[in-house]
Amino acid sequence: NAGVTQTPKFQVLKTGQSMTLQCAQDMNHNSMYWYRQDPGMGLRLIYYSASEGTTDKGEVPNGYNVSRLNKREFSLRLESAAPSQTSVYFCASSKTIFTEAFFGQGTRLTVV
Amino acid sequence: QKEVEQNSGPLSVPEGAIASLNCTYSDRGSQSFFWYRQYSGKSPELIMFIYSNGDKEDGRFTAQLNKASQYVSLLIRDSQPSDSATYLCAASGGTSYGKLTFGQGTILTVHP
Repeated sequence: NAGVTQTPKFQVLKTGQSMTLQCAQDMNHNSMYWYRQDPGMGLRLIYYSASEGTTDKGEVPNGYNVSRLNKREFSLRLESAAPSQTSVYFCASSKTIFTEAFFGQGTRLTVV
Repeated sequence: QKEVEQNSGPLSVPEGAIASLNCTYSDRGSQSFFWYRQYSGKSPELIMFIYSNGDKEDGRFTAQLNKASQYVSLLIRDSQPSDSATYLCAASGGTSYGKLTFGQGTILTVHP
């Protein structure tokens, strides 16, 4: 019973490099989310997809892009990584926008 | 003003006491409210959700919602050291359609 799976778990990037964080859920959920978590800041929403085929900006979208590849998968791309993007990234999914979300195990990203 | 705000904390209570965690939200149209627990280095896990005004009890946990005053609270009865964690309040629906928005979290320590 996988739930929400994120890859990779850890990543170190150099400033200016690009990478894509992958997220997949096997719960047949419609909505998916990407958050970042920094010390003392709680979870801040980067982008979300209320349903397959739609994506919208959250609170902190600058420097990121997303793709809702299909109902299961929602990826987050950093085109040109900056040290300010050092954070823990969480993907989450929920059946609808009104129901509880379930989280992946997180990706710890360091940009040097 | 953040959309979801939690009392600043950190909160420290003795074992066996009641821990009270509070949260306010600014979007009056928010429809769903959630409490998550997050242990250090782990991903958030759902404790409670509440949609209607009033109280909702689940074991040692009680969530309270007051839409007129725009606050949500979580009471933990008979607190245990294993309850020591960061507690995150979240809201969704309303004008922030589809956005599951979190507060900054409250660190709870239960000391023996």
